[in-house]
Amino acid sequence: DQQVKQNSPSLSVQEGRISILNCDYTNSMFDYFLWYKKYPAEGPTFLISISSIKDKNEDGRFTVFLNKSAKHLSLHIVPSQPGDSAVYFCGAKVGAQKLVFGQGTRLTINP
Amino acid sequence: GAGVSQSPSNKVTEKGKDVELRCDPISGHTALYWYRQSLGQGLEFLIYFQGNSAPDKSGLPSDRFSAERTGGSVSTLTIQRTQQEDSAVYLCASGGGAGLHNEQFFGPGTRLTVL
Repeated sequence: DQQVKQNSPSLSVQEGRISILNCDYTNSMFDYFLWYKKYPAEGPTFLISISSIKDKNEDGRFTVFLNKSAKHLSLHIVPSQPGDSAVYFCGAKVGAQKLVFGQGTRLTINP
Repeated sequence: GAGVSQSPSNKVTEKGKDVELRCDPISGHTALYWYRQSLGQGLEFLIYFQGNSAPDKSGLPSDRFSAERTGGSVSTLTIQRTQQEDSAVYLCASGGGAGLHNEQFFGPGTRLTVL
C-alpha cells in the first residue's frame, strides 16, 4: 500500500525555467511533509518541509505547496539550475511515527 | 559536527552468507531509520527506532532481516542467508531531538552486492 506516490519517474526542464515536482498521498492523518534531494552515490539530503497547518513554505528558490483537500503537494524550483539535477523524494509522517517516502522523481536540468 | 556514518561503504558477499551493516547516528538523535534503495527503485522503509519505544518493524521484507539499536545509539542491520534480491543500497537516517518534527539526516549508505 503506497501511501505516498510520485507518479512522474522523471522530469526534464530547461535551465532558468520552473521545475514542478508533484506528490500525492492517501493518508489524511499525515501532518508533516518533507522533500529530499539525492545525488548518485550519496545519501538523500533534506531540502524543505511543510506542516499540515500551512499551505506554503518558501526557502530561496524552493517553494513547497500543500493542498490538503486534494492530498497533494508540490515542490517548485525557480529558476532551475544544472546543480538541481538529482532525484527528489517526498516524504510524509504522522506525529512521531515513521517517515514514508514516494518512489522519487529524477529531475534533469538541461543547459 | 559529525553526520550519520555507515560501514562498510561497500559489501560484496556470496548468496547464503550473513551480513551486518552498521549505522552510527548523530549524537543525541532519538529516531533512527533503515531504508533500502534497489536499483531504479525508491526508498523502501525497513525499520524505525524511536527512543525507548518498541521499534516499528513493519517494513522488514522477511524474517531474514533484523535490526537492533544498542544503548539508543549505534544500530546494526543483519541480513541472514542473503539472497541476490537483497542487493541494494542500505541507507540509515537519524533525527529527532527536542522537537517532534525534525528532518532526518541520512548517511551515505552501504552498497550490498550479493553474488
